[in-house]
Amino acid sequence: EAQVTQNPRYLITVTGKKLTVTCSQNMNHEYMSWYRQDPGLGLRQIYYSMNVEVTDKGDVPEGYKVSRKEKRNFPLILESPSPNQTSLYFCASSQDWNTEAFFGQGTRLTVV
Amino acid sequence: GQQVMQIPQYQHVQEGEDFTTYCNSSTTLSNIQWYKQRPGGHPVFLIQLVKSGEVKKQKRLTFQFGEAKKNSSLHITATQTTDVGTYFCAGSGGSNYKLTFGKGTLLTVNP
Repeated sequence: EAQVTQNPRYLITVTGKKLTVTCSQNMNHEYMSWYRQDPGLGLRQIYYSMNVEVTDKGDVPEGYKVSRKEKRNFPLILESPSPNQTSLYFCASSQDWNTEAFFGQGTRLTVV
Repeated sequence: GQQVMQIPQYQHVQEGEDFTTYCNSSTTLSNIQWYKQRPGGHPVFLIQLVKSGEVKKQKRLTFQFGEAKKNSSLHITATQTTDVGTYFCAGSGGSNYKLTFGKGTLLTVNP
């Protein structure tokens, strides 16, 4: 089954404690991206990757890092989480940057 | 940068009424996509429009892409409770490699 898998689904952490949200896709897609969703603000892109070892900033990259060492994986790293990073995060993949995007189930992160 | 505005932010209808959400871009788009997110769920792709003036239908849903490729609409005829959710448009265009989402329209349907 074609899918994008994110882990964990829920996470509560404390300010400053580094964390990683994993994302994996099994569709051999070139393009992957991370979004955060906040009430009234819709989906905002954090980072995207055109292919292995190629990443670039989206609209709200501050406080986040990503890596793309393998085609299927695109982890999101928060080196020092802060409460304003409390949000719902979605990973998405697509064959190209402007084709149908497949979203993961989401990760609800709370930073206290 | 590219901005995609979507209205209305919320829409509450009685079951059986029609519903329309509108999407406007600050720049010309190469294509526009529509997604639906059920409450507690993740966005799911509905359709992509590419051509100027394009109209596509999926059962009770009608999607349009403006002649200038700067606006789009999604119309649902005779809403049902299963239509509840947030509808997002997302546009791509220009020299960046990003899909820019509108803020979405939350549709609620009173049975």
